[in-house]
Amino acid sequence: KAGVTQTPRYLIKTRGQQVTLSCSPISGHRSVSWYQQTPGQGLQFLFEYFSETQRNKGNFPGRFSGRQFSNSRSEMNVSTLELGDSALYLCASSLVGQGARNEQFFGPGTRLTVL
Amino acid sequence: GDSVTQMEGPVTLSEEAFLTINCTYTATGYPSLFWYVQYPGEGLQLLLKATKADDKGSNKGFEATYRKETTSFHLEKGSVQVSDSAVYFCALSDPGGGADGLTFGKGTHLIIQP
Repeated sequence: KAGVTQTPRYLIKTRGQQVTLSCSPISGHRSVSWYQQTPGQGLQFLFEYFSETQRNKGNFPGRFSGRQFSNSRSEMNVSTLELGDSALYLCASSLVGQGARNEQFFGPGTRLTVL
Repeated sequence: GDSVTQMEGPVTLSEEAFLTINCTYTATGYPSLFWYVQYPGEGLQLLLKATKADDKGSNKGFEATYRKETTSFHLEKGSVQVSDSAVYFCALSDPGGGADGLTFGKGTHLIIQP
């Protein structure tokens, strides 16, 4: 069974640009969550999508958005990039969503560098 | 809000040494607790979990016990190997407390020397 895949693995952008990251969950998983990992702030929850609907959202500005398609694949978009958006963006999938008993499986991440 | 506190390190040990990484938490509900491990260049892998008080999670020689009275979930291993070198994250999931997603600690960088 293939794991969670994220594309691209590395990305370099300049300030003011926008970027779209993609995540394909494990087959059969309907929930996709996104996290931002930085040296200063650590791992922070961005949002979760389940059955094409955003179900939970972390404390990030509106420049961060996402969506989920009918095949459960998800995309995350960041508009008007800032230097502080440089981070490793991790995607995680689970069978039915956030919750204590629903193990989340993480992808390898997309390393975004904003110059 | 919910929070997780863990020693950040780096923690450097010799091979076959005993490992303890401390983790304490604050949560409004009744959380489940997790340890994740991240190897260089990779995403996070679930190492072990415990879903209620006094539960013990274990995997690959690692253990952690959910202590509600001390709000702790310390990770232990009796004899570490060089291959255990990685960053370890303590995390909680607290659906009853209104927290969304997993709440992570800052991570502990573990270095095992041969």
